[in-house]
Amino acid sequence: SAVISQKPSRDICQRGTSLTIQCQVDSQVTMMFWYRQQPGQSLTLIATANQGSEATYESGFVIDKFPISRPNLTFSTLTVSNMSPEDSSIYLCSVAGDLGNTIYFGEGSWLTVV
Amino acid sequence: QQPVQSPQAVILREGEDAVINCSSSKALYSVHWYRQKHGEAPVFLMILLKGGEQKGHEKISASFNEKKQQSSLYLTASQLSYSGTYFCGITTGANNLFFGTGTRLTVIP
Repeated sequence: SAVISQKPSRDICQRGTSLTIQCQVDSQVTMMFWYRQQPGQSLTLIATANQGSEATYESGFVIDKFPISRPNLTFSTLTVSNMSPEDSSIYLCSVAGDLGNTIYFGEGSWLTVV
Repeated sequence: QQPVQSPQAVILREGEDAVINCSSSKALYSVHWYRQKHGEAPVFLMILLKGGEQKGHEKISASFNEKKQQSSLYLTASQLSYSGTYFCGITTGANNLFFGTGTRLTVIP
């Protein structure tokens, strides 16, 4: 399985600011995904981060709010822009395993917006 | 598109069994099961691919009924460490994983 590191692990952010979350994988992976988990809720897919092209966003998520970069096969960033308290969530990076069918998660980034 | 899990919550005594169900309105390619403990990221338990297979992982096993678009997770002789929220995740072809509504399992002594 891949080892996935996320930074920051936790942060408290001011309303109206933006924060970039980094995701580093210890091996090259084709598929990287970003999820959000709001308090007490299930995980919701934000977007698929594609290497060399724009991310593919799920319904309800837009690039202006959640810009994503994927400069290479081991790294991706998710920015949460112009944050409001409703953005307080866990943001999780995930990758597909070698066979492309098992999805592994990083430890998550716990964001609180005040 | 979100799969529906049942029950929403269950409380067990150590040693008791439980079944968690996951139903989808769409045809399934694979079903993934995860357990998440409070304050932690989800941990992968197992994956079932279409074909109606059943898998086991220690005292936790699962089945996948492709026709009914359902999967069930079976926990036998539950231990305190089994407590957490269980999520099923489904794929319908691509690798995009969509998570179910979650089932909170509490095991008490």
